Amino acid sequence: GAVVSQHPSWVICKSGTSVKIECRSLDFQATTMFWYRQFPKQSLMLMATSNEGSKATYEQGVEKDKFLINHASLTLSTLTVTSAHPEDSSFYICSANPGHRGFVLYGYTFGSGTRLTVV
Amino acid sequence: GDSVTQMEGPVTLSEEAFLTINCTYTATGYPSLFWYVQYPGEGLQLLLKATKADDKGSNKGFEATYRKETTSFHLEKGSVQVSDSAVYFCALSDRGLNSGGYQKVTFGIGTKLQVIP
Repeated sequence: GAVVSQHPSWVICKSGTSVKIECRSLDFQATTMFWYRQFPKQSLMLMATSNEGSKATYEQGVEKDKFLINHASLTLSTLTVTSAHPEDSSFYICSANPGHRGFVLYGYTFGSGTRLTVV
Repeated sequence: GDSVTQMEGPVTLSEEAFLTINCTYTATGYPSLFWYVQYPGEGLQLLLKATKADDKGSNKGFEATYRKETTSFHLEKGSVQVSDSAVYFCALSDRGLNSGGYQKVTFGIGTKLQVIP
């Protein structure tokens, strides 16, 4: 089945540094990937939709200059948290839509998530 | 807007106990409802779904019935196993689209289930 690999699983970084999170589709081509984050005791919230070869589309309230998304190939999307601060500490998770399938019928394939802690 | 409310965990049960994880929702339209499961170190996986009222989704011994009158989609299993220890997310998908033009999905906070031998 469709598998999405996300790395790293967890990362601790100093305030002011940048962190890159990778999301790879291992056995399918993902023209579209989604990035979510989850703060403690809150729901998974969609941050942005990443389309291969074009700019990402960000949800309202998400700073595009802070959360840089690059989807340069059909199997890799990256999320870079720039100039990270403690309030960016969260759980980030990506998902991919194999072959433009509808979510209702098939669901999307998710990575295992990245726990980011900024100190 | 749409929202999903599920019980906070962790829920700790002994093996073979009966499981209920409550999920209620609010939606502007007529949503489809889902339960996703995340085992340790793995991605979220679709566990079951229901697309219309009174539908029952089932998989791996888990069941959930779409109750429109109570706007609920509670997850149940008659006898849990240690291998069921995971985080369970309730979710809904309505007709709305996200900013990227894809079906919008609203998740609950996730409920951690711990099953002890």
